[in-house]
Amino acid sequence: SQQGEEDPQALSIQEGENATMNCSYKTSINNLQWYRQNSGRGLVHLILIRSNEREKHSGRLRVTLDTSKKSSSLLITASRAADTASYFCATGSGYSTLTFGKGTMLLVSP
Amino acid sequence: EAGVAQSPRYKIIEKRQSVAFWCNPISGHATLYWYQQILGQGPKLLIQFQNNGVVDDSQLPKDRFSAERLKGVDSTLKIQPAKLEDSAVYLCASSSGHGPSYEQYFGPGTRLTVT
Repeated sequence: SQQGEEDPQALSIQEGENATMNCSYKTSINNLQWYRQNSGRGLVHLILIRSNEREKHSGRLRVTLDTSKKSSSLLITASRAADTASYFCATGSGYSTLTFGKGTMLLVSP
Repeated sequence: EAGVAQSPRYKIIEKRQSVAFWCNPISGHATLYWYQQILGQGPKLLIQFQNNGVVDDSQLPKDRFSAERLKGVDSTLKIQPAKLEDSAVYLCASSSGHGPSYEQYFGPGTRLTVT
């Protein structure tokens, strides 16, 4: 079974707008990672946030983690057509393997 | 540095045939993963190796799937015999360490179609 569940399943925005996608999970975790997958570059790691962190930034990406609500959000600011992709959250604890969600499909139109 | 290499990129076979996929991880990465990704879903772990030992193969359908990582470097995943539901993209990934605090680097995948 998949631990993380992304929401929404699909998101369509215009270039320059911000995109927010959410991930909810069921059991306690040590780390949460976000990945992006598009046809050009395959599956690529974006950012890792640890359970003792609340927010993390990387370029135009901002990730938050609320362990009390068992949820995380990924914000992409000033989106570009090149951000069109599927975004997955992946969770894990201890030495367990990562479990990926079903993903959010983001379409950014010029 | 060179990324994770996989071959072939595409494969079409008939059901009940066998197929093998190859993966070469990033140099020095001790941990290697095989995932199955069905269209519209996230990757599902099939097997994880630490060097040449199996760490997790709980979701590997062992009656038809097998994998090995001889010498702790490259790896092969085999399906024998294939079923229609095995149609998916098979992804190989590697990481420098073991556990969810390590970033995984993915190869381009092999798209398998079983007819």
